Amino acid sequence: EDQVTQSPEALRLQEGESSSLNCSYTVSGLRGLFWYRQDPGKGPEFLFTLYSAGEEKEKERLKATLTKKESFLHITAPKPEDSATYLCAVQANSSASKIIFGSGTRLSIRP
Amino acid sequence: SAVISQKPSRDICQRGTSLTIQCQVDSQVTMMFWYRQQPGQSLTLIATANQGSEATYESGFVIDKFPISRPNLTFSTLTVSNMSPEDSSIYLCSVGRGHEQYFGPGTRLTVT
Repeated sequence: EDQVTQSPEALRLQEGESSSLNCSYTVSGLRGLFWYRQDPGKGPEFLFTLYSAGEEKEKERLKATLTKKESFLHITAPKPEDSATYLCAVQANSSASKIIFGSGTRLSIRP
Repeated sequence: SAVISQKPSRDICQRGTSLTIQCQVDSQVTMMFWYRQQPGQSLTLIATANQGSEATYESGFVIDKFPISRPNLTFSTLTVSNMSPEDSSIYLCSVGRGHEQYFGPGTRLTVT
């Protein structure tokens, strides 16, 4: 069964303190792995798609990386406005369009 | 990407009633999806709605409870029928662009 596990559930950092969020996945042939940001009371905002092991994508203070079993979302020198829930999701080759989401990591950045 | 709007943004409903949620997209899309996000939880796919065909429901979701319409390539509705407090949740529509999905702002439903 396709599965996505994110850790930690919650992470509190000081402004400027870099860290990484983990997404472990089990899927029968990966079509794509996605990262989303979700602010309270809003829909998820698309950040990145990764397709193959070794691929990296960057956007401002965020960098996503992918291996055959997991993905990391690295956040460098975070600011309070980076506080949000970060969701990881995968799409299998066999699933047509279905995306399976992890439970998310709630990130809080203290000024 | 896509600009997606949902109506209503939130509602409080009585047990046993039904609510229809509307989803409008700013451009034509083939695939639209409806998700549920229960408090503190991640997203669960309810169904996939392609224009011109019946919606495809995920395990645990049935058409009688969550009927979906997809009359054209920019619009869809999800009805939550015969509501109970367990239906209190955020309902989100999304659209597919290539392999990616983009989400609307959600409808926060509270059933009393």
